[in-house]
Amino acid sequence: AQKVTQAQTEISVVEKEDVTLDCVYETRDTTYYLFWYKQPPSGELVFLIRRNSFDEQNEISGRYSWNFQKSTSSFNFTITASQVVDSAVYFCAPPGNQGGKLIFGQGTELSVKP
Amino acid sequence: DTAVSQTPKYLVTQMGNDKSIKCEQNLGHDTMYWYKQDSKKFLKIMFSYNNKELIINETVPNRFSPKSPDKAHLNLHINSLELGDSAVYFCASSQVVGAYNEQFFGPGTRLTVL
Repeated sequence: AQKVTQAQTEISVVEKEDVTLDCVYETRDTTYYLFWYKQPPSGELVFLIRRNSFDEQNEISGRYSWNFQKSTSSFNFTITASQVVDSAVYFCAPPGNQGGKLIFGQGTELSVKP
Repeated sequence: DTAVSQTPKYLVTQMGNDKSIKCEQNLGHDTMYWYKQDSKKFLKIMFSYNNKELIINETVPNRFSPKSPDKAHLNLHINSLELGDSAVYFCASSQVVGAYNEQFFGPGTRLTVL
């Protein structure tokens, strides 16, 4: 069975701090993908990135970076020099085993204070 | 241009009524989905359609009936609305069915059943 866990329910930081959001995905599959989505207070779901399990190199996009550690099944997402506009709920979501559905984690609510 | 659009954005109705939510995507994608987000922000797949054919029905009550008149549209009709149906409903699309395809979401429809 697949299980995705975002253990951090809420994180609060002050602007310009770095923050890392954790996601652990337990599966018997040897190769898999995982997606990150952002849901700002306005409510829409915004696709951020797709990562795959056979690439453990960090991926960096501006202030965002993603790190995958296969030994711990951890897909971590780091925001460098956080800004108030980063305040949102962040979801990691691996695909389910049929029909292309996504299985969403519980989400981590990030609050960045000025 | 909006990629995935939903109407209406807000829907307030009485218990027992029947209502519909419409979804359209202009991305040329083959696959469309309905997700439900509850008050605790938990997101769960409801249905998945590929080329107008149903491929996932995630044990949703049969009061919910999706309809896909063509690849670009996936509507959701709900009969005999119940209090527990109150949630935000998101439509999404992906290029094809597959575990590696990112999904793009509509803005959501907030349904409130009184």
